[in-house]
Amino acid sequence: QQQVKQSPQSLIVQKGGISIINCAYENTAFDYFPWYQQFPGKGPALLIAIRPDVSEKKEGRFTISFNKSAKQFSLHIMDSQPGDSATYFCATKNPGTGNQFYFGTGTSLTVIP
Amino acid sequence: DVKVTQSSRYLVKRTGEKVFLECVQDMDHENMFWYRQDPGLGLRLIYFSYDVKMKEKGDIPEGYSVSREKKERFSLILESASTNQTSMYLCASSPPRDRGYQPQHFGDGTRLSIL
Repeated sequence: QQQVKQSPQSLIVQKGGISIINCAYENTAFDYFPWYQQFPGKGPALLIAIRPDVSEKKEGRFTISFNKSAKQFSLHIMDSQPGDSATYFCATKNPGTGNQFYFGTGTSLTVIP
Repeated sequence: DVKVTQSSRYLVKRTGEKVFLECVQDMDHENMFWYRQDPGLGLRLIYFSYDVKMKEKGDIPEGYSVSREKKERFSLILESASTNQTSMYLCASSPPRDRGYQPQHFGDGTRLSIL
């Protein structure tokens, strides 16, 4: 059973455009929502994360929007660049299971010049 | 910076072989994890460990075992490799949950092919 549902599976955006990736979860106990970025041949690396007591977090061109009532969160990449082309994973953490994370299925982002 | 090192980037083995994947972290983290990554399936947890000699099954433990004899090292063992275990394997570590909201830190993966 997929604990986190991520969409779209792939995304193509023009340079300078906005990339949006969405995730939805069911378990209201989840208390930490990170996004990971993975380049080919590398492991996932933490990009940005949010806790459920805030609705938005921004770091540079990357923003997480969090809707607790809808149990959804999304990653927005402003002014997308070719260097942002990577696979993005959302994740959630259940505090009742130590530090076990549940990951989405990933979104392959391609930013074309 | 946290460093998680996986001993092999690429590995080719034959069906029926016993395969060992090694992972070492240098941040004195209590928690360590093994995932496999397959296209369209994301990261699926195989096993995790929250202390030396402790282990917990993840979502897909069948056909795998683990060993954690030292805090910094977590090994994944394929008891009798099969072709459906061809995949990318990722190791991760993190501090314990009593240190607040902490991400998992990943190694660069081992791409394992079973022939």
